[in-house]
Amino acid sequence: KQEVTQIPAALSVPEGENLVLNCSFTDSAIYNLQWFRQDPGKGLTSLLLIQSSQREQTSGRLNASLDKSSGRSTLYIAASQPGDSATYLCAVIRRPGTGNQFYFGTGTSLTVIP
Amino acid sequence: DAGVIQSPRHEVTEMGQEVTLRCKPISGHDYLFWYRQTMMRGLELLIYFNNNVPIDDSGMPEDRFSAKMPNASFSTLKIQPSEPRDSAVYFCASSKGTGHYGYTFGSGTRLTVV
Repeated sequence: KQEVTQIPAALSVPEGENLVLNCSFTDSAIYNLQWFRQDPGKGLTSLLLIQSSQREQTSGRLNASLDKSSGRSTLYIAASQPGDSATYLCAVIRRPGTGNQFYFGTGTSLTVIP
Repeated sequence: DAGVIQSPRHEVTEMGQEVTLRCKPISGHDYLFWYRQTMMRGLELLIYFNNNVPIDDSGMPEDRFSAKMPNASFSTLKIQPSEPRDSAVYFCASSKGTGHYGYTFGSGTRLTVV
């Protein structure tokens, strides 16, 4: 069974700092990997989707990388802002034909201090 | 598109009562998923449908839980009878195909059983 781990569980940084969130998974035979953001009491907002043939995706101040062979993905946030405070979840998507579901990590709770 | 629409946003019910949660997926999406989120267990997949057919319901915790998808634009998750330990946030998500383009989540239904 695929297991997805996110480290650290919580992170607090001063505004303006660059930061990296980590996601590791045990089975490298993944299809895609998707990063989400969840604000308290809210749903999940998709940030970036990395397909298995890609190594990274960028959107604004966010950059996500994927290394399937090592079972790792990172989410890089540049010049952090208080509005970035949220829980960040990575989700690994299984290959088609083997069932269609996500495996979610437990999330990293980020606090950006003004 | 309005995204994945869930109703109600909040539900408070007494133990033993029947609860029905509703979901309207994005038009054209052929996969629909029901997830439950709690502090203790994180996000758990309950059941998913492909073209309105239930594919995997192994995550449904007990026979008290049932889900239907009578057509491509509507799904329900029913709990009967409800118990306090069912209190959680229930998310619906949909995708087009097997995750190649990622998944879109609804805003969730916060269920409290007293």
